[in-house]
Amino acid sequence: GAVVSQHPSRVICKSGTSVKIECRSLDFQATTMFWYRQFPKQSLMLMATSNEGSKATYEQGVEKDKFLINHASLTLSTLTVTSAHPEDSSFYICSASYRGNLETQYFGPGTRLLVL
Amino acid sequence: TQLLEQSPQFLSIQEGENLTVYCNSSSVFSSLQWYRQEPGEGPVLLVTVVTGGEVKKLKRLTFQFGDARKDSSLHITAAQPGDTGLYLCAGVAAAGNKLTFGGGTRVLVKP
Repeated sequence: GAVVSQHPSRVICKSGTSVKIECRSLDFQATTMFWYRQFPKQSLMLMATSNEGSKATYEQGVEKDKFLINHASLTLSTLTVTSAHPEDSSFYICSASYRGNLETQYFGPGTRLLVL
Repeated sequence: TQLLEQSPQFLSIQEGENLTVYCNSSSVFSSLQWYRQEPGEGPVLLVTVVTGGEVKKLKRLTFQFGDARKDSSLHITAAQPGDTGLYLCAGVAAAGNKLTFGGGTRVLVKP
């Protein structure tokens, strides 16, 4: 199956700093990448959908200026949490799909963010 | 209210017992998927069911898609400690534009 990687796997940062998380599709071209957020003992919630070369589409309630998404190539999307606060601490998971197929998404291993 | 309701939220059983997890919705789905997620990792796809009434088996796991394509179940026979994890159903509703996840069922199989 297709492989998606995330980097870093975990990050600790101080409140007020920005953190960048990378999502890479290693063996296929991902026209669409998705970013999810998962709180402890809860399910995955879609934050935004990004298509290569265009602006991301954010879900209701997700601040686009807070969570900057860039999908500059077919194998890389980045999520930057700007001016992070403790409430941004969470598990962030990306997925990638070919040709925007919603039902066939390959998930990354996740990035655990802890904001102190 | 979630589009996909999973039950139970938590299940603790002894090794060798059977268990069933349910995923229900009032919406029709073109397909439903089941994932298993371990702590600190991303979800791993177990199966996709597409046709109403479909039954798929994966070793000791049996997946069923409801006739009306609004619900699904996951049954594990003779559970083992290695089956411990968070089980998630997910799907794209007929008029939807995103993959929606159920709330998840946390399964603990004690040796």
